[in-house]
Amino acid sequence: GAVVSQHPSRVICKSGTSVKIECRSLDFQATTMFWYRQFPKKSLMLMATSNEGSKATYEQGVEKDKFLINHASLTLSTLTVTSAHPEDSSFYICSATGRAKSEQFFGPGTRLTVL
Amino acid sequence: SQKIEQNSEALNIQEGKTATLTCNYTNYSPAYLQWYRQDPGRGPVFLLLIRENEKEKRKERLKVTFDTTLKQSLFHITASQPADSATYLCALDTDSNYQLIWGAGTKLIIKP
Repeated sequence: GAVVSQHPSRVICKSGTSVKIECRSLDFQATTMFWYRQFPKKSLMLMATSNEGSKATYEQGVEKDKFLINHASLTLSTLTVTSAHPEDSSFYICSATGRAKSEQFFGPGTRLTVL
Repeated sequence: SQKIEQNSEALNIQEGKTATLTCNYTNYSPAYLQWYRQDPGRGPVFLLLIRENEKEKRKERLKVTFDTTLKQSLFHITASQPADSATYLCALDTDSNYQLIWGAGTKLIIKP
């Protein structure tokens, strides 16, 4: 149980385009979802926290207009990187918590490369 | 500010031996601490959670200790196997919407 999927697993796009990443909880209702960014050999960097049906809470330094997060249902959250630039290239990971709240279940991650 | 430290250097252990990883934190009193495993190019996978009032937690070959006086958690893998090779992350809770604070992880290499 507690499986989280992410799609796509890998995406390469041109500078200036927008990319949407989906995060789904497959067998539980995710009341809270988190979006992280991770650079090689670095810790997970929390970008934003989203609760179903409400606006995401962004961490300091994360541009909400650039990283659009939508949490429309208890099983789906999306992250859209708008007008992507090469510096947005990174590994993006989502996680979700269920009723227990304490444990986070992670998706497999999305490798974004912006040319 | 809250800070978590994990040994940034890779830990090389001979197969069959016990691997011990360290997580230290400062300026903080977490209610619980978690350990995750992360393989290259994959998201972290939850392993164990230990609460502030627990000294030790076990799960199969894994053991976690939590010393709130020393502000330290130790993560042990007994009878280590090459398949245990991965990066291990520790994370502490915050009071804010169940967010976690993450260490940078320690890469563990088990040599046959």
